[in-house]
Amino acid sequence: EVQLVQSGAEVKKPGESLKISCKGSGYSFTNYWIGWVRQMPGKGLEWMGIIYPGDSSTRYSPSFQGQVTFSVDESITTAYLQWNSLKASDSAMYYCATRTPYYGFPEYYDYWGQGTLVTVSS
Amino acid sequence: SSELTQDPAVSVALGQSVRITCQGDSLRTHYVAWYQQKPGQAPLLVIYEKRNRPSGIPDRFSGSSSGNTASLTITGAQAEDEADYYCNSRDTSGNYVVFGGGTKLTVL
Repeated sequence: EVQLVQSGAEVKKPGESLKISCKGSGYSFTNYWIGWVRQMPGKGLEWMGIIYPGDSSTRYSPSFQGQVTFSVDESITTAYLQWNSLKASDSAMYYCATRTPYYGFPEYYDYWGQGTLVTVSS
Repeated sequence: SSELTQDPAVSVALGQSVRITCQGDSLRTHYVAWYQQKPGQAPLLVIYEKRNRPSGIPDRFSGSSSGNTASLTITGAQAEDEADYYCNSRDTSGNYVVFGGGTKLTVL
C-alpha cells in the first residue's frame, strides 16, 4: 500500500527556520516525483513545485522559487520542505503528493500525505 | 491568480445532477484532473486524464472536456459529495502544474 506520512504540526516564530518531512512507503520511492502543495487557511490548493528523489532534480513554481527548498534522503525514503526564515504568511497546511507508477513529470497526484499544519506567529 | 478558473460555489438538490466547470487555455493541450476535498482531509483524486476514474471512485462522477473548458459531473448527487472540488492541469507553458481556485459544492 502506497503511503505518504508527513511530520506533525509546527508552531514557529517569524524569522525561524523549519524543515517538515514526508516519508514514502509501499512503492519505489526513488523513481517517482514528489510534489508539494500549499493550502492557506480557508483558501485553495497551490502547487509549490516538485522533486525527483532519484537525483534530487527540482522544479519550483515561480511563486515559490527562492522562498523554500526541497530535498530528499533516499536512505530513509523521506522528502523535505524547508524554510530558512519563516514569515507569518507561510502559515498554511502543506501537503506532499505523488503519482505512482508514472515515469515522468506528473501533472496530477493520486497519493497524498495527510498534511502538515505550519503556524507562524510572534 | 490561477490560470484555471472555477465558479466559487455551486449547489445541487439531493439526487440531482450537477456540473462543475474549469476554464483555462492550457486545457486545450493538457489533460485535466479533479480532486474532492472535505474539511480537514487531504484532497482525493476523483478524475484523471479528463475522464478516467481511479479505483474506488463511484461511477456517478464523470469528466469531460471541450476546447478550453473541462467539466466534472456528478449524476445523482449524494449528501457525502458535499465538498470542495479542484481542477488541475499544467500551465500554458507545460512546465508547471496549476490548480483551479476551487468550487464549493453544497448538496441541498
